[in-house]
Amino acid sequence: GESVGLHLPTLSVQEGDNSIINCAYSNSASDYFIWYKQESGKGPQFIIDIRSNMDKRQGQRVTVLLNKTVKHLSLQIAATQPGDSAVYFCAENAGGTSYGKLTFGQGTILTVHP
Amino acid sequence: GAGVSQSPSNKVTEKGKDVELRCDPISGHTALYWYRQRLGQGLEFLIYFQGNSAPDKSGLPSDRFSAERTGESVSTLTIQRTQQEDSAVYLCASSFDSGGVDIQYFGAGTRLSVL
Repeated sequence: GESVGLHLPTLSVQEGDNSIINCAYSNSASDYFIWYKQESGKGPQFIIDIRSNMDKRQGQRVTVLLNKTVKHLSLQIAATQPGDSAVYFCAENAGGTSYGKLTFGQGTILTVHP
Repeated sequence: GAGVSQSPSNKVTEKGKDVELRCDPISGHTALYWYRQRLGQGLEFLIYFQGNSAPDKSGLPSDRFSAERTGESVSTLTIQRTQQEDSAVYLCASSFDSGGVDIQYFGAGTRLSVL
C-alpha cells in the first residue's frame, strides 16, 4: 500500500541551531501534507500543512518544503529550543473520496540539547 | 469543550474482555477520526465519521473493532474479545468538515493494555 516514510529516525541538535526533518512519500496522488509534533504522553499537535499546489510554506519558526518531483517533504525549525524536543510526524492525504484519511510516517525523534 | 477529550486515559483489561473507548470532539467539529498508535510507531488510520455516518471504515483491523457516533458528537470505539496485539494508544481527532481535507486536532489518547 501507499506509505510515508522518514529518512532519519533520530536527530540531535544544539539549542539555537536550525533543524531539518525529512520525509519521503510514495503516493503521487497525495495533494495535502501535514506535520505534527507529539510530546510524550500527549496527542499529536498540528504544526503546519501544505497543499500540492505550493512548494513552500512558512509559519512561526517553521517552514515546510515540498518537492513533488522527488516526492520529498521537509520541516525546517529555526533557532531550535529545548521545548521543540518531541517526535515529529509527517502525514499525507490523497484526497478524493478518502479525504478524511491521513497516512502517517514512522516519526523522527528530535532531541535539543541546551 | 476546548479540545478533544478522550476517556479513559488508561485502560487495563484481560484478554478476551470487551472494551469501550470514548471520544468527545471539539464543539462544532462534524468530522471525527480514530487512529491507533503502537509503541514507537506512527498512527494507523482506523475509521472516520462525517456527522453520524462513516464513509471510510477501511482501517478497522478486524470485525472485533467497531465504532459508532450519535448526535454528531460523542463517538465510542468498541473492541470485542480483546487480544494482546490490541495493546496500543487509541487516538481520536476531530475537524471541521469542509468537504475537503481539514486540519485534524487530536486528543491525548487512551492507552490500552491487554494482559
